[in-house]
Amino acid sequence: KAGVTQTPRYLIKTRGQQVTLSCSPISGHRSVSWYQQTPGQGLQFLFEYFSETQRNKGNFPGRFSGRQFSNSRSEMNVSTLELGDSALYLCASSLWGETGELFFGEGSRLTVL
Amino acid sequence: AQSVSQHNHHVILSEAASLELGCNYSYGGTVNLFWYVQYPGQHLQLLLKYFSGDPLVKGIKGFEAEFIKSKFSFNLRKPSVQWSDTAEYFCAVNVGGSSNTGKLIFGQGTTLQVKP
Repeated sequence: KAGVTQTPRYLIKTRGQQVTLSCSPISGHRSVSWYQQTPGQGLQFLFEYFSETQRNKGNFPGRFSGRQFSNSRSEMNVSTLELGDSALYLCASSLWGETGELFFGEGSRLTVL
Repeated sequence: AQSVSQHNHHVILSEAASLELGCNYSYGGTVNLFWYVQYPGQHLQLLLKYFSGDPLVKGIKGFEAEFIKSKFSFNLRKPSVQWSDTAEYFCAVNVGGSSNTGKLIFGQGTTLQVKP
């Protein structure tokens, strides 16, 4: 069974640009969550999607957004990039209702110059 | 706001030593508790979980954790570590149950280094 797939794995952007990250969940998983991981702040919850609807949102500015498609694949977008957005962005999928039992991808490492 | 605190940032042990990693959370209501592990070069994976019932839960690879409600703690233990246990360990809390399936509050993580 294929795991959670995130693309791209690495990317470099400059301040002011925008970026889109993609996540394909495990087959059958309809819940997708996104996390930001940095050395200073650790793992922080961004948002969660289920059935193409955002179900939960963390404390991030509106520059961070996401969406989910009918096949459960998800994308997240960060607009007007800042240096502080440099981080590992992790996607996790789960069965809705299987609280906290997340299957993580390997992440997309974003560097903002 | 809810938070999770892991007391040890970096732990170094010799093989066969016993392990205990501390985790405390701040939330007065019902919580679900987790330990996740990230082995070098691998993705985060679930080690064990506590929802209710027996406060001593067992996970994969011989790990166990004890939930002590009065202390708001969920410490991870292993009687005898192996070199292959070298990894980063994260404690996490879920508040809100099934309506917050994917929303976890993570601790800062503890890096465990086991010397052969």
